Amino acid sequence: DVKVTQSSRYLVKRTGEKVFLECVQDMDHENMFWYRQDPGLGLRLIYFSYDVKMKEKGDIPEGYSVSREKKERFSLILESASTNQTSMYLCASSWGGGDLGTDTQYFGPGTRLTVL
Amino acid sequence: GENVEQHPSTLSVQEGDSAVIKCTYSDSASNYFPWYKQELGKRPQLIIDIRSNVGEKKDQRIAVTLNKTAKHFSLHITETQPEDSAVYFCAASPYVGYALNFGKGTSLLVTP
Repeated sequence: DVKVTQSSRYLVKRTGEKVFLECVQDMDHENMFWYRQDPGLGLRLIYFSYDVKMKEKGDIPEGYSVSREKKERFSLILESASTNQTSMYLCASSWGGGDLGTDTQYFGPGTRLTVL
Repeated sequence: GENVEQHPSTLSVQEGDSAVIKCTYSDSASNYFPWYKQELGKRPQLIIDIRSNVGEKKDQRIAVTLNKTAKHFSLHITETQPEDSAVYFCAASPYVGYALNFGKGTSLLVTP
């Protein structure tokens, strides 16, 4: 069974703080993703990575960066947290691209971040 | 980039009725269309998916149809039950496992 874990379920930070959100998967997946979820806006892609040390910008990368030093771990970094980054952050992973079986994305439980 | 539109945003049905959620996409390169269900306070979970070489797929009470020419796909839930109440998201991607573009979600309420 695929397991995707995130370091915190709830996090409260102050404006201007540097924030690290960690995501770990235990299925040797190549691909990892960070989304944010806001009411009425669905899930929006922040960054993704198809390999270790590789990263690509998604639809809303401004104010965020990522790090993928190891295959199983993908970190989302808020360089200077702002109130408009208050949101639910969801990490996901998948085995790889292509047409090999049902290999969709599996999500972590989410981190609800509040920036005061 | 890809734009996925999802309708309706809310849907209320009586238990036992059918529910239909529709999505359209803009990028003809999209070939993979999953549907996720998210119960309150939980993570999104895949319930069914379809690829571009298939027009319809069914899994018990759930079915998905795809019209590539018109660039739209739909989720059909028959004989709805209260436990079907959740938010449903459609998504599109060029390949299985690649980054997904999600619709904004449909909040389905099934009343007994």
